[in-house]
Amino acid sequence: RKEVEQDPGPFNVPEGATVAFNCTYSNSASQSFFWYRQDCRKEPKLLMSVYSSGNEDGRFTAQLNRASQYISLLIRDSKLSDSATYLCVVNGAGTALIFGKGTTLSVSS
Amino acid sequence: NAGVTQTPKFQVLKTGQSMTLQCAQDMNHNSMYWYRQDPGMGLRLIYYSASEGTTDKGEVPNGYNVSRLNKREFSLRLESAAPSQTSVYFCASSHRTGRSYNEQFFGPGTRLTVL
Repeated sequence: RKEVEQDPGPFNVPEGATVAFNCTYSNSASQSFFWYRQDCRKEPKLLMSVYSSGNEDGRFTAQLNRASQYISLLIRDSKLSDSATYLCVVNGAGTALIFGKGTTLSVSS
Repeated sequence: NAGVTQTPKFQVLKTGQSMTLQCAQDMNHNSMYWYRQDPGMGLRLIYYSASEGTTDKGEVPNGYNVSRLNKREFSLRLESAAPSQTSVYFCASSHRTGRSYNEQFFGPGTRLTVL
């Protein structure tokens, strides 16, 4: 099982749609979880951290299920500017962060 | 406050040439990292430095060396470039506290082509 797995997509949705991305991780000892956003040919930037109780930031909601080793990101009322690649990130065993390969979202008008 | 800066932005090398990628951060972070990103492979850690004076191998260290020159600077050296090292290289930094892994801030990347 790969350390961090994501559905690569692409997810093609119209403006205003709700879209959800999922991610699974293999290290049950992981303590830190993040979603990063990467625009084409740019550096990754933190979108939000993921907390055990789940957390929300405007139109974005992140959830963590430790028992299933599963993280999700929900985007409501999608905007054209949400088009990007979303990276699921988890801390590895004794090393730095492990990045998933990313899920590509394309929002169209 | 420039955050994380990388030089150069673009580079073309011939097989066997050497070069050093430079990275600097002005956020007083203790940890710094070098990643490469290839299509379909995601970000892979090459080397990291948890604090000034220490460096450790990541997932793909072969063919690379690093130097943590001081708290601000972390360089990546390719001693004898190979076409397989064609990639986009990102430097990142973070302020790790205890067992928590805090947000990593990335530089704009260096696009390297080895012919």
